[in-house]
Amino acid sequence: NAGVTQTPKFRILKIGQSMTLQCAQDMNHNYMYWYRQDPGMGLKLIYYSVGAGITDKGEVPNGYNVSRSTTEDFPLRLELAAPSQTSVYFCASNPTGESLSTEAFFGQGTRLTVV
Amino acid sequence: AQSVTQPDIHITVSEGASLELRCNYSYGATPYLFWYVQSPGQGLQLLLKYFSGDTLVQGIKGFEAEFKRSQSSFNLRKPSVHWSDAAEYFCAVGEVTGRRALTFGSGTRLQVQP
Repeated sequence: NAGVTQTPKFRILKIGQSMTLQCAQDMNHNYMYWYRQDPGMGLKLIYYSVGAGITDKGEVPNGYNVSRSTTEDFPLRLELAAPSQTSVYFCASNPTGESLSTEAFFGQGTRLTVV
Repeated sequence: AQSVTQPDIHITVSEGASLELRCNYSYGATPYLFWYVQSPGQGLQLLLKYFSGDTLVQGIKGFEAEFKRSQSSFNLRKPSVHWSDAAEYFCAVGEVTGRRALTFGSGTRLQVQP
């Protein structure tokens, strides 16, 4: 059982470049999330999805886009990378909305540096 | 909107000493509360969670936490710290409905002295 898998683990981008951070989960969870973690800070929600075809913005969505074409995959797209997007990105998933548990399962993270 | 405050940015304890990490939350209803641990370069691992019932919850690695509604607190404790407990600890409040996302505190970095 792989859980939540993120790729790549590390990436260096130049200002203005674009990239997609991949996230896949094999637990059949409906809810998926993207968070970013800046140094000395907690995680902040970028985007979330409550099921295939449904996405919405979190607290810090500017400069990012997401899609959710399948239950398993929730890629995060960075267009026109900026130094302010240097961060560690975590993908997470959550069991179905009917569950009383909001326990999130996290991937290992992607460390992104924009230079 | 909900929020979480971890007032201690950095704590150093000696191995074998007891530990308490503080967490205060703000939420409009009965919260779901979590403690996660993050080792350097790693993802987040769930230590324990509170949804309802007994206000003292037990977690993995010998950790426990107590929910105190009157103080809006959910402090993490361990009676005897091991060197391997050195890590960053995050308290989080979970949304009970809707998007069910987590709001995190800024974390407490624990250093363990031999």
